[in-house]
Amino acid sequence: DVKVTQSSRYLVKRTGEKVFLECVQDMDHENMFWYRQDPGLGLRLIYFSYDVKMKEKGDIPEGYSVSREKKERFSLILESASTNQTSMYLCASSLSGFDEQFFGPGTRLTVL
Amino acid sequence: GENVEQHPSTLSVQEGDSAVIKCTYSDSASNYFPWYKQELGKRPQLIIDIRSNVGEKKDQRIAVTLNKTAKHFSLHITETQPEDSAVYFCAASGQGGKLIFGQGTELSVKP
Repeated sequence: DVKVTQSSRYLVKRTGEKVFLECVQDMDHENMFWYRQDPGLGLRLIYFSYDVKMKEKGDIPEGYSVSREKKERFSLILESASTNQTSMYLCASSLSGFDEQFFGPGTRLTVL
Repeated sequence: GENVEQHPSTLSVQEGDSAVIKCTYSDSASNYFPWYKQELGKRPQLIIDIRSNVGEKKDQRIAVTLNKTAKHFSLHITETQPEDSAVYFCAASGQGGKLIFGQGTELSVKP
């Protein structure tokens, strides 16, 4: 079974803080993705990566950055958290670009 | 830009009835169309997918149809059960292998 884990289920931060969300997958998948999920907006892609040290912007990259130093780990960074970044963040991984994506449990981030 | 529209946003059916969710996509190069189910408080999970070389795919009570000319695809659930209640997301492949998701449909199956 593919296992995708995220560092926190719930996180509360203050405006202006630097926030790190970590995602780890154990199936040697090439591709990893970060989404945010908001009611009525579906899943929106923030960043994705097809290889170590490689990253591509998704549809809503503003205010976020990512890091992929190892194949199994993909980190999402909020350089200076803002209240409009309060959301559910989901990480996913897949073997290749057009394969099933396996999701992590999500991190519900609240920025006060 | 790349876009996927999903309708309806909410759907309520009686147990045993059929449910249909429809999606349209904008990128004519899209060739992979998965459907994900997300139960309350859980992660999205793939339930069925279809590629552009076929028009229909069926897995027990679930079927997906694809019309590439019209750029739309649909999920059909027959003989619905209360455990089918969830949010369903369609998606279409985009440039570079990413997925573009629809806005989601909240399906409620009433016993």
